[in-house]
Amino acid sequence: DTAVSQTPKYLVTQMGNDKSIKCEQNLGHDTMYWYKQDSKKFLKIMFSYNNKELIINETVPNRFSPKSPDKAHLNLHINSLELGDSAVYFCASSQVTYSGNTIYFGEGSWLTVV
Amino acid sequence: GNSVTQMEGPVTLSEEAFLTINCTYTATGYPSLFWYVQYPGEGLQLLLKATKADDKGSNKGFEATYRKETTSFHLEKGSVQVSDSAVYFCALSSGGSYIPTFGRGTSLIVHP
Repeated sequence: DTAVSQTPKYLVTQMGNDKSIKCEQNLGHDTMYWYKQDSKKFLKIMFSYNNKELIINETVPNRFSPKSPDKAHLNLHINSLELGDSAVYFCASSQVTYSGNTIYFGEGSWLTVV
Repeated sequence: GNSVTQMEGPVTLSEEAFLTINCTYTATGYPSLFWYVQYPGEGLQLLLKATKADDKGSNKGFEATYRKETTSFHLEKGSVQVSDSAVYFCALSSGGSYIPTFGRGTSLIVHP
């Protein structure tokens, strides 16, 4: 059973296109995230949702729009793709507790914009 | 604010060598500390964690001790294997902000 699953794993698309990445978690967590990892492996938080409500929205272009239909799903839609959007996008989830916030990551979606 | 600093890589070792990857942090409150590992082509997965000072997290032969006095959480392994080749991320979360703060990652390459 995959705890956090995201699709597609690989995506190659042309500049200007619109694409979506879907994410689902079966861990019963209240909080979900989207992270972007660049070619140097640096991880940057993009969005965080708690019980379908947007909590964190970092300085991300408004071409990126997250949607959470329920607390088990957090999809990422990207409009007008640019070359600089090429990266690995990770969905993640967690259940925040007093003993810290352990994040569970999906396997990543490798986006290449050509 | 919170921040995590870890040594730059890549760290290149021969099989069975001793590994240390340094991690220091600044945080408000009393953070929980984590090490995550990312194998090639995969997502990050939790390797170990510690939630209070002097706690030692351990898993798969890796260890790290929460040192409040030096604000450090160094990762160690006594004898690395080729299969340990991966990128290792130090991270913290604290009550002030539940969003974890990640270090920049340290690539480990282990040669046979």
